[in-house]
Amino acid sequence: AQSVTQPDIHITVSEGASLELRCNYSYGATPYLFWYVQSPGQGLQLLLKYFSGDTLVQGIKGFEAEFKRSQSSFNLRKPSVHWSDAAEYFCAVGAGGGSQGNLIFGKGTKLSVKP
Amino acid sequence: DVKVTQSSRYLVKRTGEKVFLECVQDMDHENMFWYRQDPGLGLRLIYFSYDVKMKEKGDIPEGYSVSREKKERFSLILESASTNQTSMYLCASSSSRDPRYFGPGTRLTVL
Repeated sequence: AQSVTQPDIHITVSEGASLELRCNYSYGATPYLFWYVQSPGQGLQLLLKYFSGDTLVQGIKGFEAEFKRSQSSFNLRKPSVHWSDAAEYFCAVGAGGGSQGNLIFGKGTKLSVKP
Repeated sequence: DVKVTQSSRYLVKRTGEKVFLECVQDMDHENMFWYRQDPGLGLRLIYFSYDVKMKEKGDIPEGYSVSREKKERFSLILESASTNQTSMYLCASSSSRDPRYFGPGTRLTVL
């Protein structure tokens, strides 16, 4: 079955510290992978996407993610977290970059940032 | 920049009322989607549309209908609102060249 697992429900990091949010997927075909961020009471904003090519992708707000096919992972990283990064982060996998195909979301990881 | 707008940020309705949630996108995207988001359940797809007047059921279509009369507009209709439809509703659009972009959401409360 197709699925996305974000093992960490809630993570707290200190401002300025590095961050890694984990995402593992199970998908039968070549996956298209996404990370979205949601601030409280807001919609989802696309951080970055992986379709093909270089397995390290850069996104907005200083985020990057690395696709590791052998580990079925697409972890999100940021070298230095800012207080404004506190939000909920969702990993998603689908078929086709923008198609109407099903996009499967993880349950999300809530990030808190300590001053 | 892609812009997806939703008609209301907050909405309070009574049980049994007919509710319309409107979504408009300005990127000429052919695909549009309606999700609901609930704590612990994540995002669940209600309906999507890949063309004007076309619609497909998602994972949880019961109690909902949709309308897409124009390419840029996709409406979600609750024919007779119930308390278990209290939720955050998110609209999204995409195309073959663009991934899914989301609107700001409508938080609906049914009393």
